[in-house]
Amino acid sequence: DTGVSQDPRHKITKRGQNVTFRCDPISEHNRLYWYRQTLGQGPEFLTYFQNEAQLEKSRLLSDRFSAERPKGSFSTLEIQRTEQGDSAMYLCASTARESTGELFFGEGSRLTVL
Amino acid sequence: AQSVTQLDSQVPVFEEAPVELRCNYSSSVSVYLFWYVQYPNQGLQLLLKYLSGSTLVKGINGFEAEFNKSQTSFHLRKPSVHISDTAEYFCAVTLTSGTYKYIFGTGTRLKVLA
Repeated sequence: DTGVSQDPRHKITKRGQNVTFRCDPISEHNRLYWYRQTLGQGPEFLTYFQNEAQLEKSRLLSDRFSAERPKGSFSTLEIQRTEQGDSAMYLCASTARESTGELFFGEGSRLTVL
Repeated sequence: AQSVTQLDSQVPVFEEAPVELRCNYSSSVSVYLFWYVQYPNQGLQLLLKYLSGSTLVKGINGFEAEFNKSQTSFHLRKPSVHISDTAEYFCAVTLTSGTYKYIFGTGTRLKVLA
């Protein structure tokens, strides 16, 4: 068990650029979650997958955000045409379908949009 | 839809004093409840969880929480805090069936004073 890993850990970009984050969940976990966390706030739900299927997506998520989990293993979160308001920590978490409910979190990818 | 309210954004407390961090949830169906801790510059870690059974749940680092269905609360307590408990604490809820989305509260910053 190597834990949930996220890459890159930090990303600085200019407004209007596209960015992509990658998440590698714990290997036997079939549910994968993306959250966004801003300073002083709790994690805000973005979307989650069961295997390769995206089961739910937050209505707060604009069309500039897209997430994939093509083979049911790693996942990517892409933000197109970034805006300064996208600056946040993007968290990935995973859990097993038959687990006792605990989410295992990565250390996050911090995005700064200039 | 489920929701979580953490009533206190910041709680200062002296070392070795007891502490209670409050969490209330809203849901029309049965839920699982969690407390996570986030130390500075680290990912979220599970403190404890309530799935079923005894309403008093014990977690790591001497923390415990009590599930109160009638008051829809899941308050976190520790009888004697240490400087090292200084961190952000998040309450979270998910439904026992249907959606597997986890909703987090806005967090309570516990500051332990010497």
